[in-house]
Amino acid sequence: AQKVTQAQTEISVVEKEDVTLDCVYETRDTTYYLFWYKQPPSGELVFLIRRNSFDEQNEISGRYSWNFQKSTSSFNFTITASQVVDSAVYFCALHNRGFQKLVFGTGTRLLVSP
Amino acid sequence: EAGVTQFPSHSVIEKGQTVTLRCDPISGHDNLYWYRRVMGKEIKFLLHFVKESKQDESGMPNNRFLAERTGGTYSTLKVQPAELEDSGVYFCASSQAEGLGTGELFFGEGSRLTVL
Repeated sequence: AQKVTQAQTEISVVEKEDVTLDCVYETRDTTYYLFWYKQPPSGELVFLIRRNSFDEQNEISGRYSWNFQKSTSSFNFTITASQVVDSAVYFCALHNRGFQKLVFGTGTRLLVSP
Repeated sequence: EAGVTQFPSHSVIEKGQTVTLRCDPISGHDNLYWYRRVMGKEIKFLLHFVKESKQDESGMPNNRFLAERTGGTYSTLKVQPAELEDSGVYFCASSQAEGLGTGELFFGEGSRLTVL
């Protein structure tokens, strides 16, 4: 079975704080892909990152960074020096090779206050 | 280039009525997907088209839901008759021929359905 758990329902921070969004996944496959999507107030889901199961290197993109650890089945997302524009719902998702569909978590709502 | 567009953005109907949601994928994208998010829950897969063919419809809740993609371009998702539990946001997404294995899904803004 495939499952994605985002235990944090909502996080509130003040601008410039760092914040980490947790994502834990379950899969029996050895080849899989992990995604993060951002849903701003406008509603669309915006792709942030895709990582395959064979690449455990951490990735940094500007203020965003991702920590993939297969040992704990986690793919956490950190925003450094958060900004008000980061306020959104963030979804973690899993894709198993051979299945053309994503399994999503329930999302984490991030509220960044000025 | 236009992204994935969905219409309507919000629909309010009464239980028992029919609603049709439309999705226009990015031009040239063979893969088209429908997903749904019921309030506060995860986004769930409904079905996947490759061109005009249904590749996987394992996520469709029941036979009140009918999806079509005539000509392999835009897609419609009809709910008939609608029930209260059908309320939620319906997302459409598209991707290029290689699908998820090599690329990303491009999502639309979603169609919010409220059934009263």
